[in-house]
Amino acid sequence: GAGVSQSPSNKVTEKGKDVELRCDPISGHTALYWYRQSLGQGLEFLIYFQGNSAPDKSGLPSDRFSAERTGGSVSTLTIQRTQQEDSAVYLCASSLVAAGYTFGSGTRLTVV
Amino acid sequence: GESVGLHLPTLSVQEGDNSIINCAYSNSASDYFIWYKQESGKGPQFIIDIRSNMDKRQGQRVTVLLNKTVKHLSLQIAATQPGDSAVYFCAENTGRRALTFGSGTRLQVQP
Repeated sequence: GAGVSQSPSNKVTEKGKDVELRCDPISGHTALYWYRQSLGQGLEFLIYFQGNSAPDKSGLPSDRFSAERTGGSVSTLTIQRTQQEDSAVYLCASSLVAAGYTFGSGTRLTVV
Repeated sequence: GESVGLHLPTLSVQEGDNSIINCAYSNSASDYFIWYKQESGKGPQFIIDIRSNMDKRQGQRVTVLLNKTVKHLSLQIAATQPGDSAVYFCAENTGRRALTFGSGTRLQVQP
């Protein structure tokens, strides 16, 4: 597509529920990134996929967080047993190389 | 959309003035730096980048300066316009495979 598409744009969930956030990167981009942005904060790295290599999961804050990328394209970030501190904007980006990220508009997650 | 970064440092300038946004980075091994602009409800948008073998790079109305001695990066915006109002982030390639972002500065342009 023309840009990075994320869905849903907004998600309100109850504490303890699982959520799935979707990212559809730019066609042909081999690298895909997930970042989290809390209110008043910068972007916190979560996970990075590059081609068929093992993902860099070093930024995932707990084992409740996981992500997968199917067929080298669409990615899903899953948060299990959501907590209030998980509330944030989750941003996805894609790129051809390690530079020149194109970001999506993000998913605003609110855990109540 | 709802704003992010409500508690960020804020730079307020008059329309037409020049703006300078500063960023201190921590990793002396970083070899690539980018400035991003984020408007309310949107994802960050690439503005300009610079590699560590340079100390200055110019774009359209924007200039990035890199001082590796003091690990300092700045973004200069000439003739600031209301459309420049946004949160600005610096990002560095620290050697990890993903960029590390700073905490951001909010630029407010007064008409």
